[in-house]
Amino acid sequence: GAVVSQHPSRVICKSGTSVKIECRSLDFQATTMFWYRQFPKKSLMLMATSNEGSKATYEQGVEKDKFLINHASLTLSTLTVTSAHPEDSSFYICSARDGTSDNEQFFGPGTRLTVL
Amino acid sequence: GEDVEQSLFLSVREGDSSVINCTYTDSSSTYLYWYKQEPGAGLQLLTYIFSNMDMKQDQRLTVLLNKKDKHLSLRIADTQTGDSAIYFCAEDGAGSYQLTFGKGTKLSVIP
Repeated sequence: GAVVSQHPSRVICKSGTSVKIECRSLDFQATTMFWYRQFPKKSLMLMATSNEGSKATYEQGVEKDKFLINHASLTLSTLTVTSAHPEDSSFYICSARDGTSDNEQFFGPGTRLTVL
Repeated sequence: GEDVEQSLFLSVREGDSSVINCTYTDSSSTYLYWYKQEPGAGLQLLTYIFSNMDMKQDQRLTVLLNKKDKHLSLRIADTQTGDSAIYFCAEDGAGSYQLTFGKGTKLSVIP
């Protein structure tokens, strides 16, 4: 299957700093990318949907000014957690679809964010 | 909003069959999915089923869908220790590709 990578895999930062997470589709062009957040003992929660070249669509309750999403090219989407706080500590997973497969999302390995 | 429910834990002996159940509320789902998450890893698509099918078999995996009851199950035959993981059920609202996940079922395989 298609490969999606995320970088970094783990990041530890101080409260108040910003962190950027990259999501790349390695062997296909991702027309749509999704960002999910995984809470302990809870579901994966969809945060936002981004389409290349347009603004991301955020789910209800997700602060767009705090979680900045940029989908600048067909192979790269970035999630920037601005002014991070300890409650933002979580596992962030991106997924991508290539527009040709009518059902499959390819998931990245996830990024573990720890805010001290 | 739409909801997907799964039991949180399942423990089986190696060689037995595992059945993981899932219920959902969105009647407009087009596809329903099973994902596997191994410790420390992201999600891996295991299998999926189109909403107008009631069964799909793929090697050791059998997916059963009861659309009337909005019930989905994943059966793993001859369960191995390598099958120990968290299994997520997910549905797409009317094929929107924005998936709603269950909380995941942690499968523990006892040697």
